[in-house]
Amino acid sequence: QLQLQESGPGLVKPSETLSLTCTVSGGSISSSSYYWGWIRQPPGKGLEWIGSIYYSGSTYYNPSLKSRVTISVDTSKNQFSLKLSSVTAADTAVYYCARFGGIAVAGINYDAFDIWGQGTMVTVSS
Amino acid sequence: DIQMTQSPSSLSASVGDRVTITCRASQSISSYLNWYQQKPGKAPKLLIYAASSLQSGVPSRFSGSGSGTDFTLTISSLQPEDFATYYCQQSYSTPCTFGPGTKVDIK
Repeated sequence: QLQLQESGPGLVKPSETLSLTCTVSGGSISSSSYYWGWIRQPPGKGLEWIGSIYYSGSTYYNPSLKSRVTISVDTSKNQFSLKLSSVTAADTAVYYCARFGGIAVAGINYDAFDIWGQGTMVTVSS
Repeated sequence: DIQMTQSPSSLSASVGDRVTITCRASQSISSYLNWYQQKPGKAPKLLIYAASSLQSGVPSRFSGSGSGTDFTLTISSLQPEDFATYYCQQSYSTPCTFGPGTKVDIK
């Protein structure tokens, strides 16, 4: 079955760029039915959507992070990636990648994060 | 952005109890509402999508209802494995937003 796996450094220095990759296995990232997203969760806090990408490269970002976020896709490797620049301690979080699916109900498409990676903890500290 | 609120923020319940969690959106989101369960150290798991549709593999004791701005997640008979934090999320507009979560623990 489809699986997602995050990878990247667990420690990033303040003002530097956080870079993570999500590898999709057991299925194709080029499916026309789905976007692929990044969500983060600071320790002990709730969930925040960072942004999503379609296999064609179309992106949607959270306006609160848009100036610092870049999400890209590499269909040849079945991967998509996150870059978050100028990080501070407030960016310390578990970062999840997830499939954002269009699920049809009575002919209407509803989107939900239906498959998630296990998450990777990123700490911003000098 | 659409703001999502949940109540209560936490609750204590016993095995076998009926549990109801409420989620409210700051504007109408039709039925574009999802519910997730998260256990400590684990990724969230999709339970309910489109306000009331049960995700494949999720036990039927979970149900969702509501439309517009007010939604509920009900667990008909709480089981030991249901002790977790529950989040609602709207997918009506970008940015999608999550509620702050409701922690369900053992009484």
